[in-house]
This record gives sequence, C-alpha cells and structure tokens, in this order.
Amino acid sequence: EDKVVQSPLSLVVHEGDTVTLNCSYEVTNFRSLLWYKQEKKAPTFLFMLTSSGIEKKSGRLSSILDKKELSSILNITATQTGDSAIYLCAVAGTYKYIFGTGTRLKVLA
Amino acid sequence: GAVVSQHPSRVICKSGTSVKIECRSLDFQATTMFWYRQFPKQSLMLMATSNEGSKATYEQGVEKDKFLINHASLTLSTLTVTSAHPEDSSFYICSARTTGTRETQYFGPGTRLLVL
Repeated sequence: EDKVVQSPLSLVVHEGDTVTLNCSYEVTNFRSLLWYKQEKKAPTFLFMLTSSGIEKKSGRLSSILDKKELSSILNITATQTGDSAIYLCAVAGTYKYIFGTGTRLKVLA
Repeated sequence: GAVVSQHPSRVICKSGTSVKIECRSLDFQATTMFWYRQFPKQSLMLMATSNEGSKATYEQGVEKDKFLINHASLTLSTLTVTSAHPEDSSFYICSARTTGTRETQYFGPGTRLLVL
C-alpha cells in the first residue's frame, strides 16, 4: 500500500531557529514529490521535486529529494512567526497524490 | 503559479438539503481535478478523482451517490453533497492538476460546509 510518512508530527521552535522537516515515502510509480504549506485554508504550493540531489530554494526555504533513500527534507532557516503552519508532503503516483499527515510547525516570537 | 477558485467559500445548510460546490481552474485547463475532505487537525483525505468527460473515480468508503461529482469542462468540476447531514460538515478542498513535464497540482481555497 502506498504511504507517505512525515516527521516530526509537530515542532515548536523560536524565531531565528533552523528547522528540518522530513518526508519518506513508499509509492509505486513515483513521479514527483511536492511540498505544501497550509495555514488556515487550503495548502499553497512550495516545491516540486523530481530529481535526486537537486536542491530547490525559495528565500529561506529549501528542499531536496533523495530517491535512493525514498525521502525528502524541507529546510527553513531563520524561522519567523509567519512560518507557523502545517507543512504537507505529497507524492504523485500514477493516478493520484498521496499525502503525509503533515508536520505542524509553531514558531514562537 | 496557477490559480484555482472554489465557490462558495462557506455554506450553512439545513439537514436534508443538497449543496453544490464549484471548482474552477482559472488560467489553465485541467483534465483531472481532485476532491479532498479535511477534518480538523488532520491531513487531506482524497474523496475522488474527477476526469473531464468521464465518471469520477471514488476512493474506498466514499459514497458516490452521496457525493456527486461532475467534470463537464476542462476548467470546471462540481461536487454536490446530496441530502446533507451534520456529519458531512467539513472542509472540502478541490485541486486541479496541470499537465506537461512539470505537472503539479494546485489547490482551491476550500469550502467550509456546516450542516445544521
């Protein structure tokens, strides 16, 4: 059965800290891995990863995929209170996307 | 990035009535759209995959007669919750899948349904 597992489930840090969120997967016919940020409403797209070892960056956020280890990490440096959210990892299989349970990040001022 | 809209953003209805939720891809054509349901503090639960011009594919445990999905055009899919009950109260989110080599999915803003 396809599955995506995220860790940790929740995390509390202080502003300025760096965090690393993990996503591991077992999905047949892997096509891509996506990261989303969800605040109060629907998820917003962060990154799509298809190739191993190539880092994607957007400001203080970066992500990398390791197809050998079937995993990905999402790094956030110099965290801010506005980074508080649920971060969802999803893997695109043949016909649909499989979501992890998410990591709930809280950044304290 | 691509934009997906959902309407209405929130709806309150009486038990026994039907509610229709629209999902539109505004700046791209989506042959495939997905409907998710999200319970408080939980991840997204895929309800069904909607393909333009054909019947939706429902996930196990989702009643197709209760959650009617229509994907009549490349930019519009609708979810109708028929004979709604309080336990149908939830946050419903649609997403649309782009095509091509950089295929990804973009989410609508969601619809909060409250059935009294």
